[in-house]
Amino acid sequence: DIQMTQSPSSLSASVGDRVTITCRASQDIYNFLAWYQQKPGNVPNILIYAASTLESGVPSRFSGSGFGTHFTLTITSLQPEDVAIYYCQNYKSAPRTFGPGTKVEIK
Amino acid sequence: EVHLVESGGGLVQPGRSLRLSCAASGFDFNNYAMHWVRQAPGKGLEWVSNISWDGDRIEYADSVKGRFTISRDNAKNSLYLHMSSLRVEDTAFYYCARDSLRGSITSLSSWGQGTLVTVSS
Repeated sequence: DIQMTQSPSSLSASVGDRVTITCRASQDIYNFLAWYQQKPGNVPNILIYAASTLESGVPSRFSGSGFGTHFTLTITSLQPEDVAIYYCQNYKSAPRTFGPGTKVEIK
Repeated sequence: EVHLVESGGGLVQPGRSLRLSCAASGFDFNNYAMHWVRQAPGKGLEWVSNISWDGDRIEYADSVKGRFTISRDNAKNSLYLHMSSLRVEDTAFYYCARDSLRGSITSLSSWGQGTLVTVSS
């Protein structure tokens, strides 16, 4: 089975900062990777699919990159409404595992 | 607008069974794969199962394989998860989610609000 890891597990940054979250797959998953945002008390919401394609309606300050086993989610200018837990997910094959999540807070 | 509403959660004793349902509307249900994802209170997301648009391709997480059964009724725009031999560690919010792409099994673009399953004696 493909294992997904994320780093850091949590981070605290100031409004306007550039934030980068890393996701690694234990095997090559090409670009079959999605990023989700889960705000406190809410259900998850897709941000990015195919590693770098922004879902419709998602602010352009979010971007994704990577291929194979190493992926990143970047928020170019952190906003207060970005406080959330961010998860990556492999969807190349079952089990379509999620990463453990990265909690983003405002400093 | 895509609308997914889960139901069927509740308190159940270990070893018993429960069936979750997900009512879908706002899209052509019979053209999309569907997924179940769960989240234990205060924990991360765990993918549980998916079913292709036509029901021919079904996959499960190892943690539920042999105990859970996913199914769908395209005539009723409904998704189901039959859970048997429930364990305390199955306690979680269960979300139904629609796939992002018509006809494929990919990412999860729309999520329901979830239904809570509590397994306890």
